[in-house]
Amino acid sequence: AQSVTQLGSHVSVSEGALVLLRCNYSSSVPPYLFWYVQYPNQGLQLLLKYTSAATLVKGINGFEAEFKKSETSFHLTKPSAHMSDAAEYFCAVSVTYNTDKLIFGTGTRLQVFP
Amino acid sequence: DAGVTQSPTHLIKTRGQQVTLRCSPKSGHDTVSWYQQALGQGPQFIFQYYEEEERQRGNFPDRFSGHQFPNYSSELNVNALLLGDSALYLCASRKGLAADRNEQFFGPGTRLTVL
Repeated sequence: AQSVTQLGSHVSVSEGALVLLRCNYSSSVPPYLFWYVQYPNQGLQLLLKYTSAATLVKGINGFEAEFKKSETSFHLTKPSAHMSDAAEYFCAVSVTYNTDKLIFGTGTRLQVFP
Repeated sequence: DAGVTQSPTHLIKTRGQQVTLRCSPKSGHDTVSWYQQALGQGPQFIFQYYEEEERQRGNFPDRFSGHQFPNYSSELNVNALLLGDSALYLCASRKGLAADRNEQFFGPGTRLTVL
């Protein structure tokens, strides 16, 4: 069975600092991996996705994630945090790419301080 | 262009009651999926509708049912409400069934509280 673990329910950074949100997955088959962002009182928005092509995936708003099979990780990074990045971030896994039936992690709330 | 819209925004019900949530997909979209997001948790897939039929279903009991109308809008019905049904219910829409070609867009959700 597939699962996702997000380490750290809350992460705080200063504006301009590096953002690192951790995600580890468990899957018996090569997974497809996703990062979503959820702003207050809004639905989810897709940041980026890994579909077994390039291991370094670039997404919107300057975010990127690297798929590391040896570490079963798909951590999300951004070189310089902006106040507008404050939100809830979810990592998700799927065994097939062509499905909406994703397994989500419990989320990481990112706070950005001036 | 209106995105995915959901109604109502908030809803309070008591145990044992029934509830209906509504979703209008983004213009041009014909596939609707529903998710349940409990407090402090990630969303869980409930089911997906396309051409007025349920196409995929997650691990939810039969108390959760849905419907899609000819104009592609959708309803989520939950019968015999339990306290554990309290959650944010998200609707998402896309064009077609091919999740690998068309991104799904999420609505802001309906917050259901069961007392």
